[in-house]
Amino acid sequence: GIQVEQSPPDLILQEGANSTLRCNFSDSVNNLQWFHQNPWGQLINLFYIPSGTKQNGRLSATTVATERYSLLYISSSQTTDSGVYFCAGGRVSGTYKYIFGTGTRLKVLA
Amino acid sequence: DSGVTQTPKHLITATGQRVTLRCSPRSGDLSVYWYQQSLDQGLQFLIQYYNGEERAKGNILERFSAQQFPDLHSELNLSSLELGDSALYFCASSDGTSPANEQFFGPGTRLTVL
Repeated sequence: GIQVEQSPPDLILQEGANSTLRCNFSDSVNNLQWFHQNPWGQLINLFYIPSGTKQNGRLSATTVATERYSLLYISSSQTTDSGVYFCAGGRVSGTYKYIFGTGTRLKVLA
Repeated sequence: DSGVTQTPKHLITATGQRVTLRCSPRSGDLSVYWYQQSLDQGLQFLIQYYNGEERAKGNILERFSAQQFPDLHSELNLSSLELGDSALYFCASSDGTSPANEQFFGPGTRLTVL
């Protein structure tokens, strides 16, 4: 099956700094999503991005499907960005059979 | 508040027992998804239902089963529980079947198997 590798595993930033999180897939995927889990455990669906670039406020994501990776950019980080960021991907178009990465744990310091 | 509710919040039970976790989706959402998050396995997609019918199946064990009722709430049944089933179980809902439809997650049910 597909292997999903996320880097870095841990990241500590000062408030206001920018960061890039990476997700590599061992095989091509047709579906790809990014999620955020806050320190209280709540999961939020950030982006559905099988290819191309999307932006939502201070967050943006880029997927280069041909090279099997995706990047999540966080600009001007805030303490509320802390938590774990997961990427997940699947090969079957139109269905939600995803494999999740192990996550990047981000801590933003005030 | 995502609008997705899960009950109970916490559940403690013994090996070999059976439990039922309940999820009520956001108003108007027809899809319900179940996930398991454990220290050993990480985050895993278990199963998706759409308007009462199974839509996609992930790494769901045969000891686990789910269903979605006519009022669109869903239940995840876990039987013959093992220590390794201890995990946080999330439910999510969306208004469609496509992965492009944004999912909204409930707060989770923490299951502890002793």
